[in-house]
Amino acid sequence: EADIYQTPRYLVIGTGKKITLECSQTMGHDKMYWYQQDPGMELHLIHYSYGVNSTEKGDLSSESTVSRIRTEHFPLTLESARPSHTSQYLCASTDSYYGYTFGSGTRLTVV
Amino acid sequence: GENVEQHPSTLSVQEGDSAVIKCTYSDSASNYFPWYKQELGKGPQLIIDIRSNVGEKKDQRIAVTLNKTAKHFSLHITETQPEDSAVYFCAASHEGAQKLVFGQGTRLTINP
Repeated sequence: EADIYQTPRYLVIGTGKKITLECSQTMGHDKMYWYQQDPGMELHLIHYSYGVNSTEKGDLSSESTVSRIRTEHFPLTLESARPSHTSQYLCASTDSYYGYTFGSGTRLTVV
Repeated sequence: GENVEQHPSTLSVQEGDSAVIKCTYSDSASNYFPWYKQELGKGPQLIIDIRSNVGEKKDQRIAVTLNKTAKHFSLHITETQPEDSAVYFCAASHEGAQKLVFGQGTRLTINP
């Protein structure tokens, strides 16, 4: 059973709308991550956090922002969605000893 | 920084045959190497991992080997079954499981 939850699973939204993708984990992990997955499969790190009030940008430049006010919650926000933001977004967390636990993802389509 | 190369990008094998996916890494300080399986519509799931103090690890039909000198590691799946069809990712990190660098992925198809 997944201990990391992403909502919504699918989202279709118009250009210019503000959206927030939710990610929550019940494992008490300090470290959390957001990845963007393109149709070619590759995983691109866009944000990560090593604890409350700590956030960093990843390797792939993204117009999204994140926050980490609670250990279990790591939401990702797009202030103004564009068609170029259409993608699969994956959230993950780790206790630093074992590999990441991933959520099921949010498939975002901006029309 | 670390760079991980994964090959092949697609692999098709007959049911019952073995499949091998290979990865190379650049940072000799890397010490943790997990493998993930991603089924359609799901997030990647950890299937096996190996640390730098071990050369091989097995779990039923899957095994991973690590060659630190050559800086490469491989996933071996024996007696493949249709449910093995998925995308597989390798990864490497020199900070334990803290900051993984992923390979490009391999789409494995098992033909009945």
